[in-house]
Amino acid sequence: DTAVSQTPKYLVTQMGNDKSIKCEQNLGHDTMYWYKQDSKKFLKIMFSYNNKELIINETVPNRFSPKSPDKAHLNLHINSLELGDSAVYFCASGQSNYGYTFGSGTRLTVV
Amino acid sequence: AQSVTQLGSHVSVSEGALVLLRCNYSSSVPPYLFWYVQYPNQGLQLLLKYTSAATLVKGINGFEAEFKKSETSFHLTKPSAHMSDAAEYFCAVRMDSSYKLIFGSGTRLLVRP
Repeated sequence: DTAVSQTPKYLVTQMGNDKSIKCEQNLGHDTMYWYKQDSKKFLKIMFSYNNKELIINETVPNRFSPKSPDKAHLNLHINSLELGDSAVYFCASGQSNYGYTFGSGTRLTVV
Repeated sequence: AQSVTQLGSHVSVSEGALVLLRCNYSSSVPPYLFWYVQYPNQGLQLLLKYTSAATLVKGINGFEAEFKKSETSFHLTKPSAHMSDAAEYFCAVRMDSSYKLIFGSGTRLLVRP
């Protein structure tokens, strides 16, 4: 069983569209995260939820909106997609003193 | 503020040679430190972690890292490189007492036959 699963794995869309990425974890963790990995492999945290409460909200365009319906799910919705949003988005879960478990990523390409 | 620096964006070794990937951190509190590996088109996998117990930490796939407070370092080593070790390696530090992990810029390990 996959511990942290993201869907879709690949997403190609046109500028201006709205899209969502879904994430689910079956590890029983209270905390989940979204990271963005750019073309140079740099990883930047975007958001974190602890038991459905937003606890980390980095400097991210407000076109990005996370939603956590329960502690096992954390979705990322992106409005009005721009070329610069092209990246790999990783979901993760866990505690920062034990390390995270990452999903396999969603490669978003905006054309 | 806490940060982590990985020296060398690319490291190339011959198969069977020692692997040394460098990581230095800055932290105002005792750090939690981690090494992750990312294979092409995959997510990040935890290799090992330092959480203030033993300073020499052993991880998966024969990797280990030593926490040196005096040098603010947490370098990753493996005695003998294997072709399957070729990947991107990330060092990470917990950000203060928050939930954040801050990642270094990554080091790509190339293994020559």
